[in-house]
Amino acid sequence: DIVVTQSPDSLAVSLGGRATINCKSSQSVLHSSNNDNYLAWYQQKPGQPPKLLLYWASTRESGVPDRFSGSGSGTDFTLTITSLQAEDVAVYYCQQYYTAPYSFGQGTKLEIK
Amino acid sequence: EVQLVQSGTEVKKPGQSLKISCKASGYTFTNYWIGWVRQMPGKGLEWMGIIYPPDSDARYSPSFQGQVTISVDTSISTAYLQWRSLKASDTAIYFCARHVAVGIAQGWFDPWGQGTLVTVSS
Repeated sequence: DIVVTQSPDSLAVSLGGRATINCKSSQSVLHSSNNDNYLAWYQQKPGQPPKLLLYWASTRESGVPDRFSGSGSGTDFTLTITSLQAEDVAVYYCQQYYTAPYSFGQGTKLEIK
Repeated sequence: EVQLVQSGTEVKKPGQSLKISCKASGYTFTNYWIGWVRQMPGKGLEWMGIIYPPDSDARYSPSFQGQVTISVDTSISTAYLQWRSLKASDTAIYFCARHVAVGIAQGWFDPWGQGTLVTVSS
C-alpha cells in the first residue's frame, strides 16, 4: 500500500499570510501513460464533511478560489494558500488515487496566528 | 445539484448488526462509483472502499475487507455500508462520497455526504 505523509501536523499563519502544506507519498503517483499525478487535496472545516479542492495535484475544483494552488510531482507535493482568510481554518488532507487503497495523509490543521 | 444524503445517528451495542445508507440525487447513479470513508473521533480520514453500481463490483481496503460490506440498490440510487457484528472500535463518523473515476477505479471523491455518526457502546 502507498503511505501518504503530510507535514507539518499543524501550523498557524497570520491573516493575509501564506500557508504551505507538504504531502509525500511512499511511491511515485505520476502515471507514465498520461504524465499526470494522481493526487487530490481536500479541506475539512469543523463539523463538516471534506470538500474537494484540487485534483491531478494542481487542478482546482470548480468554485475553489485561486488562493489555493497545488504543485509537485512524483512523490512530493505542496498545497499553498495565499492571502489567508479566517474561513480557511480547517484540516487539509491529501489523497493518492494511483493505487488502491487510495490512501489519505494524516491531515494538517491550519489555524490563524 | 449533486447531493448525497446519509441516514441518521446510530447508537448500538457490541455484537449488534447495522446498515447505514447514502441516497444519491442530482446525477445518474449508475455512471459513478461510490465509496465510504471512516473518521474515528478526533482522527483523520481512512479510505474504506468503493462500489460500481451497475455490477456491484466492490473494492475494499485490506484494513476493512471482511469487516464491512458495501452494497447498492440502483432502483433507489442508494449505497449502503453494513456490519454483521459491531465492535466498540467501529465508533466513528462514516462518510459516503461519489467517486469520480479517471481510470479502472482510480479517482477522487466529490461530493461527500454529511456523515453518519455510529456509536458502539455497552
